[in-house]
Amino acid sequence: GAVVSQHPSWVICKSGTSVKIECRSLDFQATTMFWYRQFPKQSLMLMATSNEGSKATYEQGVEKDKFLINHASLTLSTLTVTSAHPEDSSFYICSAVNVEGVGEAFFGQGTRLTVV
Amino acid sequence: QKEVEQDPGPLSVPEGAIVSLNCTYSNSAFQYFMWYRQYSRKGPELLMYTYSSGNKEDGRFTAQVDKSSKYISLFIRDSQPSDSATYLCAMRSRGFKTIFGAGTRLFVKA
Repeated sequence: GAVVSQHPSWVICKSGTSVKIECRSLDFQATTMFWYRQFPKQSLMLMATSNEGSKATYEQGVEKDKFLINHASLTLSTLTVTSAHPEDSSFYICSAVNVEGVGEAFFGQGTRLTVV
Repeated sequence: QKEVEQDPGPLSVPEGAIVSLNCTYSNSAFQYFMWYRQYSRKGPELLMYTYSSGNKEDGRFTAQVDKSSKYISLFIRDSQPSDSATYLCAMRSRGFKTIFGAGTRLFVKA
């Protein structure tokens, strides 16, 4: 299957700082990427849809000023958690859609964020 | 009512058993159906991808879609301890926004 690389795989940051997470599609162009959040033993919660060259679409209840998404190229989307707080600690996962195939989504390996 | 319903389990089976995982959904516009496997603290891995109704087989895995009943299944034959993971069903309509089930935790005991 296609490869989606997410970096970093884990990060610890201090409360009040910002953290950037990168999501790259390595062998296909992804005009659409998705960002999810996952709490322990729970399913994926869609946070936002990232579209190359345009503003992201956020799900209800997700603060767009806190979770900044940039999709500047066909292979890279970034999620920046601004002014992080301990309640932002979670597992963040991106997926990229292979629009050249049948539209299946491939996931990155996830980023475990811990805010102390 | 959630768009996609999936029993979270856990489901515990002995090695070699046939495992049946299921999801129901309410949105008749869904056309594409996927099953993902997720190991602890890892991103989901695409296992099966099916368009519309019918069966699809890949090795020990068989995916079934019954659009008339709004019901999808994943069967795992000759289950192995390495199959122990959380299995997520997922589906979408024409757009690329994918809706996931809650995930079923599967334990295969040696």
